[in-house]
Amino acid sequence: AQSVTQLDSQVPVFEEAPVELRCNYSSSVSVYLFWYVQYPNQGLQLLLKYLSGSTLVKGINGFEAEFNKSQTSFHLRKPSVHISDTAEYFCAVSDGDSNYQLIWGAGTKLIIKP
Amino acid sequence: DGGITQSPKYLFRKEGQNVTLSCEQNLNHDAMYWYRQDPGQGLRLIYYSQIVNDFQKGDIAEGYSVSREKKESFPLTVTSAQKNPTAFYLCASTRTGVRNEQFFGPGTRLTVL
Repeated sequence: AQSVTQLDSQVPVFEEAPVELRCNYSSSVSVYLFWYVQYPNQGLQLLLKYLSGSTLVKGINGFEAEFNKSQTSFHLRKPSVHISDTAEYFCAVSDGDSNYQLIWGAGTKLIIKP
Repeated sequence: DGGITQSPKYLFRKEGQNVTLSCEQNLNHDAMYWYRQDPGQGLRLIYYSQIVNDFQKGDIAEGYSVSREKKESFPLTVTSAQKNPTAFYLCASTRTGVRNEQFFGPGTRLTVL
């Protein structure tokens, strides 16, 4: 069965510094990959998704992610973070066996230090 | 604007009482989901429904019940059998298909007093 690992529960970073949030999934069969952001006490909002094609995916708010099939990874990056990026970020995977469900990572809290 | 609404935003319940959380979508999505979120545990699936009048248990269905009488609506009842119901509850919907992302409502925070 598919599983998703977000290696860091919290990532502290200084404002205007670059950040990478890591996501690995377990199966290398055809997968569809998603990153969501959740601001405090709100629902989740889609940041970006990989369905096919270019392995570098650009999303909203200046975020991008790179699909690496050999490493089974889909890490999220931003070259310069802002205080408004403080939130929790979730990686999710869908595959042909998941019955239209998304398999979720445990989330990574991005903490921006001024 | 299309979207998902959840009500109420905050809900307080006494122990032993059942309570129903509302979820409505006007996106014409076939599938709907209920998740529970606790600090540090990510999202856990309670129930999901891919079509009207049909639903399946997720990973933590015990103590919860749902109905899907209309395509637009998927209410969740937290029963007195749920041992620790205090949590943030999220409703989501999607068009059927593995390539489609889920859209989320704003959530309901339930506190048992």
